[in-house]
Amino acid sequence: GPKVLQIPSHQIIDMGQMVTLNCDPVSNHLYFYWYKQILGQQMEFLVNFYNGKVMEKSKLFKDQFSVERPDGSYFTLKIQPTALEDSAVYFCASSSRASTGQLYFGEGSKLTVL
Amino acid sequence: GDSVTQTEGLVTLTEGLPVMLNCTYQTIYSNPFLFWYVQHLNESPRLLLKSFTDNKRTEHQGFHATLHKSSSSFHLQKSSAQLSDSALYYCALSGTSGGNYKPTFGKGTSLVVHP
Repeated sequence: GPKVLQIPSHQIIDMGQMVTLNCDPVSNHLYFYWYKQILGQQMEFLVNFYNGKVMEKSKLFKDQFSVERPDGSYFTLKIQPTALEDSAVYFCASSSRASTGQLYFGEGSKLTVL
Repeated sequence: GDSVTQTEGLVTLTEGLPVMLNCTYQTIYSNPFLFWYVQHLNESPRLLLKSFTDNKRTEHQGFHATLHKSSSSFHLQKSSAQLSDSALYYCALSGTSGGNYKPTFGKGTSLVVHP
């Protein structure tokens, strides 16, 4: 089936450093999402993105967070600077339609901030 | 705005017993799509079921759910739980008119099946 690829699968960085999480969404999908999941907890919405713009973001999407998809390449989540509480698994998802399309999730990028 | 309520955070049951995970929703949309996603340990969520049609049973991999618009419910059921069903289950909702760019997820129900 359709695949969403996430790079890296795991990254360990020091607090205060910048990190970029990359997502290669399903081909021809137009809607992109990032979710955050802290170990043992439920998944929580961060942000969604369409037509080059952030459509909606949650309170978890702090000012240190940014997303972009330059020229149809990777959909990226950048955190600068990172904080200890940013340690989590970040899932990227994409869908072909906003309302009726199911989400296809990547395998997640586990971020550990020391 | 839209909301999805999963009343149980944790459901623990014995293998072979029936499963029922509750999901109710509130939405401004008259024709919402309802989804169940399943997330096994150390894996990403994947779609288990989806439905758009009122009072029609949807089945997949032994699980079934029926969308009841009259009660705004989309409960997930299975007749006999298996150990491999242990996972986190999310109910989600999407509207069918323009402007809804984000599916609304419930908080998830963790299902633990023991021997």
